[in-house]
Amino acid sequence: QSALTQPASVSGSPGQSITISCTGTSSDLGVYNYVSWYQQHPGKAPKLMIYDVTNRPSGVSNRFSGSKSGNTASLTISGLQAEDEAYYYCNSYTTSSTLVFGTGTRVTVL
Amino acid sequence: QVQLVESGGGVVQPGRSLRLSCVGSGFTFGIYTMHWVRQAPGKGPEWVGLISDDGTRKYYGDSVKGRFTISRDNSGNTLYLQMNSLTAEDTGVYFCARALSSAWYSAYWGQGTLVTVSS
Repeated sequence: QSALTQPASVSGSPGQSITISCTGTSSDLGVYNYVSWYQQHPGKAPKLMIYDVTNRPSGVSNRFSGSKSGNTASLTISGLQAEDEAYYYCNSYTTSSTLVFGTGTRVTVL
Repeated sequence: QVQLVESGGGVVQPGRSLRLSCVGSGFTFGIYTMHWVRQAPGKGPEWVGLISDDGTRKYYGDSVKGRFTISRDNSGNTLYLQMNSLTAEDTGVYFCARALSSAWYSAYWGQGTLVTVSS
């Protein structure tokens, strides 16, 4: 199972909105809505930000939103803040009953 | 609050075995699916596998299938990862994680334990 494809880096100024894409196949996020996004700061464990494509766990800011169209899922961060600077990874269930992470995107706040 | 504490990491020679443990507290351990996720130095996370709440269903990532075994002791609130035939590619930080009510999402994570496979 190959990793989902994400852009290596995305940047934006404080207050702006950015979108991170995550491209899969018809063996993973193209056929399932078990899509999630994780935020990871250096030296820390990942944190679940979005699940079931669009849902936010309790405590996650509503500045984070998710969507999906075909084989591509997206994470949008609105009102970008300095604390959002981190790595973001998408994740999907697959037809092999496994989970696969994306290649990761480094978000930089300018 | 939910707490997960991994242990058992260390330096191990290629071809040898190692068992990791993860003790959960602050929640009813026996009603949640549990995951193992690892992360090689400077790389992104890689899903290792999961075990259902009752331990009857287990799923593994392709790179560890047949070498790693996940088990749990609900009476002791402990999750295990038995790792056999280790190679340098297994080096990394190993995290345990508790699922959401939906089994496929890791909502709470431990701090991780470092496994280094080296001669």
